[in-house]
Amino acid sequence: QQQVKQSPQSLIVQKGGISIINCAYENTAFDYFPWYQQFPGKGPALLIAIRPDVSEKKEGRFTISFNKSAKQFSLHIMDSQPGDSATYFCAASANSGGSNYKLTFGKGTLLTVNP
Amino acid sequence: NAGVMQNPRHLVRRRGQEARLRCSPMKGHSHVYWYRQLPEEGLKFMVYLQKENIIDESGMPKERFSAEFPKEGPSILRIQQVVRGDSAAYFCASSPQGWSTEAFFGQGTRLTVV
Repeated sequence: QQQVKQSPQSLIVQKGGISIINCAYENTAFDYFPWYQQFPGKGPALLIAIRPDVSEKKEGRFTISFNKSAKQFSLHIMDSQPGDSATYFCAASANSGGSNYKLTFGKGTLLTVNP
Repeated sequence: NAGVMQNPRHLVRRRGQEARLRCSPMKGHSHVYWYRQLPEEGLKFMVYLQKENIIDESGMPKERFSAEFPKEGPSILRIQQVVRGDSAAYFCASSPQGWSTEAFFGQGTRLTVV
């Protein structure tokens, strides 16, 4: 049973546009929601993360929006650039018992930003 | 300060052979985590180790898979008698203490079983 559902599977955006990736989770014990960026041949790199006590977190062009009641969170990339082209993964974990290392990942979104 | 180093980057094994994947954590990191990424899937947690201790192996398949992190040397993920379904990318991550924003992934080992 997939506990984190991510959409869309792929996304094509023009340079300067807004990229939006959505995730939904089922486990109400999740309390940590990171986004990872992965370039081909590389490992995932932490991009930005949020905890459920806030509804939004912004770091530069990247924003996470979080809706606890709907059990959904999303990544917005403003002014998308060709260098943002990568696979993006949402993830979630529960800190209960200190197990926040046990991340559950979505299947990923392949983002292509056209020049 | 080199990042998390995994080797080999690519590994091809015939069915029934053994695969040994190595992970050298970042300097100063004593916690290692292994994840597996099956084709078109997200990463899935396998095991969490500290030096000479397995902390959580709840994500490890019950048979053929084992992991260790000795006092000296890299962490090793060992897969015995590999099958086609073991073909995947295996990533390790390391952190100085528990999981945090200071946890970093390596580049992964792509295992192909033929």
